[in-house]
Amino acid sequence: AQRVTQPEKLLSVFKGAPVELKCNYSYSGSPELFWYVQYSRQRLQLLLRHISRESIKGFTADLNKGETSFHLKKPFAQEEDSAMYYCALSRSQGNLIFGKGTKLSVKP
Amino acid sequence: DGGITQSPKYLFRKEGQNVTLSCEQNLNHDAMYWYRQDPGQGLRLIYYSQIVNDFQKGDIAEGYSVSREKKESFPLTVTSAQKNPTAFYLCASTHTGGQGLNEQFFGPGTRLTVL
Repeated sequence: AQRVTQPEKLLSVFKGAPVELKCNYSYSGSPELFWYVQYSRQRLQLLLRHISRESIKGFTADLNKGETSFHLKKPFAQEEDSAMYYCALSRSQGNLIFGKGTKLSVKP
Repeated sequence: DGGITQSPKYLFRKEGQNVTLSCEQNLNHDAMYWYRQDPGQGLRLIYYSQIVNDFQKGDIAEGYSVSREKKESFPLTVTSAQKNPTAFYLCASTHTGGQGLNEQFFGPGTRLTVL
């Protein structure tokens, strides 16, 4: 079965600390994975996708097929990173299956 | 802030009534999607449409219906058969084709409350 698991509902760190939001997936085939972010009072928006192998706002995510993971990392968290983060896996016909989300809170 | 719009922002409904949520996009996107967002549940796919006059059920289609008569519009009707309709509803759209999966753009959402 296709599934995306985000084990942490809430992650709280201090400003300047490293942050890692975990995402594990279950998929038989070549996965395409994404991280979406929803800041307070803003729309859900794409943060990054694994196929681009880019860094956005200091965040990176590496696809690890052996561990079936796509964890989101940032070496130094900022207060403006506080948001809801969703990991998503593509299915056929362009559909996405989302994890339940992790709320990141960065304290000053 | 065009792109993809949803209306209304807040909607209240009495039990037993059908209600239609609007979703419009001016991005010339082929595909459109409806998701339901509940606290602690993430986003779950209700219906999607890859092309005008065609749509498919998502993971939680029961109690919902859609139409896709125009490329720009993908309204969602929440029927009285939906047992737990109170939720935040998100519409999204994307281009199809090309290499790899294209980014989905989301609307601002409609919060539906059943009284």
